Amino acid sequence: NAGVTQTPKFQVLKTGQSMTLQCAQDMNHNSMYWYRQDPGMGLRLIYYSASEGTTDKGEVPNGYNVSRLNKREFSLRLESAAPSQTSVYFCASSEAGGADNQPQHFGDGTRLSIL
Amino acid sequence: AQSVAQPEDQVNVAEGNPLTVKCTYSVSGNPYLFWYVQYPNRGLQFLLKYITGDNLVKGSYGFEAEFNKSQTSFHLKKPSALVSDSALYFCAVRLGGYQKVTFGTGTKLQVIP
Repeated sequence: NAGVTQTPKFQVLKTGQSMTLQCAQDMNHNSMYWYRQDPGMGLRLIYYSASEGTTDKGEVPNGYNVSRLNKREFSLRLESAAPSQTSVYFCASSEAGGADNQPQHFGDGTRLSIL
Repeated sequence: AQSVAQPEDQVNVAEGNPLTVKCTYSVSGNPYLFWYVQYPNRGLQFLLKYITGDNLVKGSYGFEAEFNKSQTSFHLKKPSALVSDSALYFCAVRLGGYQKVTFGTGTKLQVIP
C-alpha cells in the first residue's frame, strides 16, 4: 500500500528557477492538501483541493500555484523560487469532504533548498 | 477562525514514567481534534481523534487523549513511556463543515532511557 507518494524527495534550486512538486495518492480520497513545515512554525497550509476540479488558497499561498490533475494527483508549482521558500513540503489526502472526522494521510515530504 | 497552541517545545520524560503532551485550542463551534506523530524524515502519522462522545479517546501505540471542553484542551497521554516514543507530536483542529485543518507548532518528546 503506497498511500501518498511525493516526488522528488530532495531538490536544490537556484533563486528564480521553477519546479513542480508531484503528489499522488492511491486511496481514492477526494481531498488533497499541500503544507510547508518550517522549524518552530508547525505545518502551514499552502493550498488544498476539496475535490477533483476545485482548488482553494490556504494560509500561505503566495508564490505557489497548484493543479488538481485528476482525483489521484495534486501538484505544487513554484514559478520563481525564492530563498524564503526553502522548506519541507508535505502532501496529504483525506476522505470525502463531508466526512470531517477523517484524518489526513501524509507523504514523506520533499526537502527543498533554494540558494 | 481556529487556532491550536502547544505550549511546550520539548518534553523530557524517563522511560517507564507517564507522559503528557499539552494542547489547547480555540474554535467558534464544535471542534474535531487530532493528534499526529512525526518521526525523523517522515510524514505525519495519525494517532487518535476526538469527534464527540467519551472525553477519553484511545489511539495507536497505547496513547490516549483527554478532551476537556471547559478548558478547551486536548492533552495527549501515555501511562508508561518508551524510548521509541521519542518523536515530534502535533495537535490539530478542524471545525466541522470546513476543509482546513490547523496544526500546532509541535512538541518534541524525548524519552530518556
